[in-house]
Amino acid sequence: VHLVESGGGVVQPGRSLRLSCAASGFTFSNYPMHWVRQAPGKGLEWVAVISYDGSIKYYADSVKGRFTISRDSSRNTLYLQMNSLRAEDTALFYCARDNSGQGAFDMWGQGTMVTVSS
Amino acid sequence: QSALTQPASVSGSPGQSITISCTGTSSDVGGYNYVSWYQQHPGKAPKLMIYDVSNRPSGLSNRFSGSKSGNTASLTISGLQAEDEADYYCSSYTSSAVWVFGGGTKLTVL
Repeated sequence: VHLVESGGGVVQPGRSLRLSCAASGFTFSNYPMHWVRQAPGKGLEWVAVISYDGSIKYYADSVKGRFTISRDSSRNTLYLQMNSLRAEDTALFYCARDNSGQGAFDMWGQGTMVTVSS
Repeated sequence: QSALTQPASVSGSPGQSITISCTGTSSDVGGYNYVSWYQQHPGKAPKLMIYDVSNRPSGLSNRFSGSKSGNTASLTISGLQAEDEADYYCSSYTSSAVWVFGGGTKLTVL
């Protein structure tokens, strides 16, 4: 039972990147999913949430209009499309399962690092 | 979406109890019983310790407990052990239908 993120890397400011989170060992389509990030040496920052069926999405103000969360239940995969990246988006990005629907993040991936630098 | 307020650091000796506070507003901590607490060891992913203010995930030690009064939630760790040394974060659902984390508290076991 786990989550595996991928897609991170080094990207120039203004460019785009798509992160993936592959889920296994549980019924992916039953759970809301979140992205949470952590800048180097800093605390956790909530980024976005998607409902179990993908119909409802919310974003942190810091990424609204630039990032898009989505999911493909046929592939058991969560995505985060990141556009217009900024230096301040540099962080380790985690996907997390919400076991309660109210923010009980009971399963986390190992994270994928995104570095925005020219 | 302002971060919840946590003390930067707390410390305690083995066997003692410590409490970490998490202060928000009536739009987050005070308005909903959806406060969670996470433990993070260096280089590791966070781990859920408490959810819905005071519920422990299955299998978690009962040395960890949570509570809330008004706009402030608290995590108490009793019988401190060396392996409890870590960073702790609170989070809360908000009236904007988004979540917010606290700034984190570094727990040192003396």
